[in-house]
Amino acid sequence: AQKITQTQPGMFVQEKEAVTLDCTYDTSDPSYGLFWYKQPSSGEMIFLIYQGSYDQQNATEGRYSLNFQKARKSANLVISASQLGDSAMYFCAMREAYNTDKLIFGTGTRLQVFP
Amino acid sequence: DTEVTQTPKHLVMGMTNKKSLKCEQHMGHRAMYWYKQKAKKPPELMFVYSYEKLSINESVPSRFSPECPNSSLLNLHLHALQPEDSALYLCASSHFVGLANTGELFFGEGSRLTVL
Repeated sequence: AQKITQTQPGMFVQEKEAVTLDCTYDTSDPSYGLFWYKQPSSGEMIFLIYQGSYDQQNATEGRYSLNFQKARKSANLVISASQLGDSAMYFCAMREAYNTDKLIFGTGTRLQVFP
Repeated sequence: DTEVTQTPKHLVMGMTNKKSLKCEQHMGHRAMYWYKQKAKKPPELMFVYSYEKLSINESVPSRFSPECPNSSLLNLHLHALQPEDSALYLCASSHFVGLANTGELFFGEGSRLTVL
C-alpha cells in the first residue's frame, strides 16, 4: 500500500502567488514525522520543513508552511510569494517511529513558476 | 553548498567494470544512507549505516556493496552492474539514529551513474 501519496504530478504558479502542494499519508503508527524536500535539477534533496505527529501547531519556515490535518492524514505544503527559483520537484516524505531510519518518499510534484 | 559531498558527480561504466562511489560528511552525524533515484521517480532507500554498522539493507543485489570505513565516510562499491542500474545515487546523513532519529536527512548532490 502506498504510504505517501502526491496526486499532483505537475503544478504551475505565477511569480509572487501562493501555491499548495498536496500530500496524504497512511500509517497506523501514532508517532511519525512528515517532511518536505525540494529537488532542483542539480539533484540535491533540500530539506524544507518538518511536522511531528504530536505537534499542535502547523510548522512554518520562512515562505514555507505545512498545513497539517491529522484526522485527514494530510500534510500539504504551502509556498507563499513564489519565486522563479522555486521551480523544482517537491517530495513529501514520512518517517514512522517503529522504523525511524527509513524515510519514505512520495512520487513528487513538479512545480513550475512563471513570470 | 551541501555539507554532504559525493564523488564522482558523473560516472559511466561498462557491465564488467568495478567502480566506487564515495560520500563524505563532517557534521558528526552517526547515520549515513544510500538512496537510488531513477529518472522521474522518488528516491528509494538502499542501505543505512548506524554508528558505522550496516543496520538496513533493503534487499539490494550483491553487485552493490556498501562500506563505512569511519564515521565520516561511506562508499558504495559497484561490480557487474546492469544497464537498469543507471540512476542517480544519493548519499545522506542524519544526526541521530533509531528512536531518536526525528531530524531531517542531509543529502549530497548525488552521483549520476550510467551503465553501458
